[in-house]
Parts: sequence; C-alpha cells; structure tokens
Amino acid sequence: DAKTTQPPSMDCAEGRAANLPCNHSTISGNEYVYWYRQIHSQGPQYIIHGLKNNETNEMASLIITEDRKSSTLILPHATLRDTAVYYCIVRVAGSNFGNEKLTFGTGTRLTIIP
Amino acid sequence: GEEVAQTPKHLVRGEGQKAKLYCAPIKGHSYVFWYQQVLKNEFKFLISFQNENVFDETGMPKERFSAKCLPNSPCSLEIQATKLEDSAVYFCASKGAEAFFGQGTRLTVV
Repeated sequence: DAKTTQPPSMDCAEGRAANLPCNHSTISGNEYVYWYRQIHSQGPQYIIHGLKNNETNEMASLIITEDRKSSTLILPHATLRDTAVYYCIVRVAGSNFGNEKLTFGTGTRLTIIP
Repeated sequence: GEEVAQTPKHLVRGEGQKAKLYCAPIKGHSYVFWYQQVLKNEFKFLISFQNENVFDETGMPKERFSAKCLPNSPCSLEIQATKLEDSAVYFCASKGAEAFFGQGTRLTVV
C-alpha cells in the first residue's frame, strides 16, 4: 500500500470547517483513499473513502486532487466531539480485495477549540 | 449484531502467563482482522481471516501468538507466555463493505 504523509497535529475552532490534508504521491491507479478516526482510545471509526471523484457523506467531505497525489478531509462544522486522531490510508479496494489490511500511519491529532 | 464485540475490555496478566482475547464480528461479515496498538498512534497488523481460514498472518509473532475464527464461535487471539512488550490495546475489525472496529482489549502485562 502507498505511504501517506499527514501533519502530526492541527487545531480548529468549534463551528468552523476543519480541513485535514494528506499527501499520497505514490498512490497507484487502483488504490482508494480512506479516512478513519480514533476518538480517545476507542476503536478506529470509518469516515469516508474515494477513488478520484470528490465524495460527501453525513460525516465529512473528501476532496481528491486531479493527479490523486493528495487529498483533504473536510469536517464542515467541527464540534468538540470531533477531537480525535485522523488517519489517511490508501489501499486497493473492491470485491476482489475484501481482505486487504489497513496500513495506519501516525495520523493527525485534531483538537477542536471551544 | 451490528457492532464488533471484544471481550474482555481489560486484561492483566503476569509475565509468562497466557492471555486470551475474544472478538465477535458483525453477523454476515466474512473478514476479521486483528491489530495491536502499542503506542497511542501506532497500529500493527497481526492477522486476518476470511471466514475460518487464515488469509494473512504476516504480522503475527508466531512463537507465542495464535488466532482462530471457528464457525459459530467468537474469534480468539491467544498469547502464550506473555511478555512486558505485549502490553497494548488489541483491536479486532470485521469487514463487510467497510471495516468496523471493536472497542479493543487493553492487555497489561506486569
């Protein structure tokens, strides 16, 4: 799986949009970008994933650059409960790759400031 | 069930004792993964299963670690003769479309 680079920490004011960047310059054509987060010491929580188009769900938006070498996770209105470590992971996906493991980096520790 | 259930939440073992951790995956999920988180941010992949078959065990310290996923039983991860360095949070994940993680078992070896 391709390696990802994320800033170690970020702060964001409550109510503002939190934009978390991720570089994945060696991503392959069949690799997706996944985002997970770990709140305190709980199990990692799936947020969103995408291949090349921008994606949005009830939790977040994912913006992937045209060359796919970087992406940004956007939490549109951050709340205190969004304080967590956010992991950007690239991996192959699809029905033939159901058993591919996730390779976690060190992530970004996002702190939401009241 | 709709969540991955891991038991126990906490486990304390003396060095050299055996530790056994359990994971009940979400019903209908065919894939199960075990991860070890030693420091706050570092996850290490241990082993994965497709149903009851081992798919990838490249992360397992084979001398002391073993794992099983048998039909109609929770999956298990067993550590024989625990060492201090085995102290960690062990996460299980099951996967349908996406991977869902349990809340982990915190193993403390003293």
